[in-house]
Amino acid sequence: ELKVEQNPLFLSMQEGKNYTIYCNYSTTSDRLYWYRQDPGKSLESLFVLLSNGAVKQEGRLMASLDTKARLSTLHITAAVHDLSATYFCAVEYSSASKIIFGSGTRLSIRP
Amino acid sequence: DVKVTQSSRYLVKRTGEKVFLECVQDMDHENMFWYRQDPGLGLRLIYFSYDVKMKEKGDIPEGYSVSREKKERFSLILESASTNQTSMYLCASSLKGGLAKNIQYFGAGTRLSVL
Repeated sequence: ELKVEQNPLFLSMQEGKNYTIYCNYSTTSDRLYWYRQDPGKSLESLFVLLSNGAVKQEGRLMASLDTKARLSTLHITAAVHDLSATYFCAVEYSSASKIIFGSGTRLSIRP
Repeated sequence: DVKVTQSSRYLVKRTGEKVFLECVQDMDHENMFWYRQDPGLGLRLIYFSYDVKMKEKGDIPEGYSVSREKKERFSLILESASTNQTSMYLCASSLKGGLAKNIQYFGAGTRLSVL
């Protein structure tokens, strides 16, 4: 069964702290995507990870991929309020012509 | 910038009505998708299309149909709306190949309430 699990589902953190969101998937995949959704708005693409060991960074967000562990992480460094949003990972399974989204992690950053 | 436009932000319909949700993209993308988003369930794929006049069922197609007569337009149809179809509906499009392959660009969403 093709499954994508994110954790935590909710995360409340203070500004200035570091934290990591995890995305586990069930079988070998071809690509992994991270998206951001601001409240009341639609999803925007953040990162595409193509191969084992891939790392992408933009600002305070860094995404990495470990295909052997079937795990991607989204790391937040020195969080600021503007990063409050829901973050989704999505896994592409070319063999099944499917892209499956995780349930999302709602991140709330307190001053 | 890629633009994916959904025809309505909010819709209120009555049970049994036929509902049309329209989606237009302006970047010549081959792939188009319809999702519904419900709290705690993430995004669930209803239907997708890889080309004009082609459609494939996603994970939850029951109660829905789609139409893709032109490359830029993908319509979602609720033949007879029911209260359990109250949800946020998201349309997306993507390229089939190249570096940006399968990066999905989403519309603003349509929040549908069925009374």
